[in-house]
Amino acid sequence: AQSVTQLGSHVSVSEGALVLLRCNYSSSVPPYLFWYVQYPNQGLQLLLKYTSAATLVKGINGFEAEFKKSETSFHLTKPSAHMSDAAEYFCAVIRTPSNDYKLSFGAGTTVTVRA
Amino acid sequence: DTAVSQTPKYLVTQMGNDKSIKCEQNLGHDTMYWYKQDSKKFLKIMFSYNNKELIINETVPNRFSPKSPDKAHLNLHINSLELGDSAVYFCASSPWGTAGDEQFFGPGTRLTVL
Repeated sequence: AQSVTQLGSHVSVSEGALVLLRCNYSSSVPPYLFWYVQYPNQGLQLLLKYTSAATLVKGINGFEAEFKKSETSFHLTKPSAHMSDAAEYFCAVIRTPSNDYKLSFGAGTTVTVRA
Repeated sequence: DTAVSQTPKYLVTQMGNDKSIKCEQNLGHDTMYWYKQDSKKFLKIMFSYNNKELIINETVPNRFSPKSPDKAHLNLHINSLELGDSAVYFCASSPWGTAGDEQFFGPGTRLTVL
């Protein structure tokens, strides 16, 4: 079964510093990959996705991620953290080809931002 | 204007009771999902429906029964509630046709079983 592994359950950064969240997938065939964000007491919101087009994907709120097949990775970055980035971040995968669009999530990474 | 809505937002009940959570989407999507988020924030799919037809049924106890009266609604009924059912339940929807389409999530229903 295809899955994703998020390295680091908790990341703490200073305001203005680089945010780097790591995600690796396990698949011999490149899947579709997603990053979702969950703010406290809210539902999930899509940040960005990779669906076999450009390997560098830009998302909302200044986030971007790069798909690297050789490393089976899809790490999420933001050059300068803002206090409002404090949230839970989930990497997720849909296998390809897919006939059920089943989204499988990583365990999540909690981001805290220090003033 | 809410794209995916769930009711209720909070649900507190006793063990053994039966309860339902309702979900509605106004995005015109064909596919709807139920996810469970446990206390460690781990998210796992439970069910999905495409145009009222069950597509995904993960290893969920029979006490959980989804019902889709039309493609805009997917309700979740839970019988004989247990302590371990305490979690946040999220409804989501997406178009059907491309696996890479975004799934839109509702705000969640926090279920607490006492």
